[in-house]
Amino acid sequence: GDSVTQMEGPVTLSEEAFLTINCTYTATGYPSLFWYVQYPGEGLQLLLKATKADDKGSNKGFEATYRKETTSFHLEKGSVQVSDSAVYFCARRDFGNEKLTFGTGTRLTIIP
Amino acid sequence: EAQVTQNPRYLITVTGKKLTVTCSQNMNHEYMSWYRQDPGLGLRQIYYSMNVEVTDKGDVPEGYKVSRKEKRNFPLILESPSPNQTSLYFCASSESGTGVNEQYFGPGTRLTVT
Repeated sequence: GDSVTQMEGPVTLSEEAFLTINCTYTATGYPSLFWYVQYPGEGLQLLLKATKADDKGSNKGFEATYRKETTSFHLEKGSVQVSDSAVYFCARRDFGNEKLTFGTGTRLTIIP
Repeated sequence: EAQVTQNPRYLITVTGKKLTVTCSQNMNHEYMSWYRQDPGLGLRQIYYSMNVEVTDKGDVPEGYKVSRKEKRNFPLILESPSPNQTSLYFCASSESGTGVNEQYFGPGTRLTVT
């Protein structure tokens, strides 16, 4: 079935380091792609999204580009901060369907 | 403030004791959904509702019931909880069920069944 595979964590980086969290999806249909963030003790918040190939989603310094040729939607940030420590989920939603299919989540810890 | 609320936030219970986790949204959303989050598995959909009196199974519905008598509320019912239902539960809602609107998530309910 349709799925999302994301980089296993945990990931630990120093402040101001470059971040990449990999995400790939199964190439069926025309999914929209999302990154959600879960801060400690909180629910999920939408971080960014892209609805078609070559779209770039961006928010709070994070970016991800919908790459149809590699079926990827990798999350990147040029300079991470301690406040970026959270769990990040990649997700897909298929056209006409409300259900989100999530990856397993990647826990990111940024140390000062 | 537009939000999805869940109660309780934390619950410890024993096997077989019926419980209900409430979910309410104040955004007049048609679509509501329940997910469970488990380590290494991400979030999986339990049940969803496209509108009042319309509910359907998600990927992992066994052991759960839901109802949608009012637009704003979508309670999750565990008639006879078991330890394998120990998990973190999230309710979500969106304006419609067409897959074009953002989903808003509640803060989560951490359930432990002993």
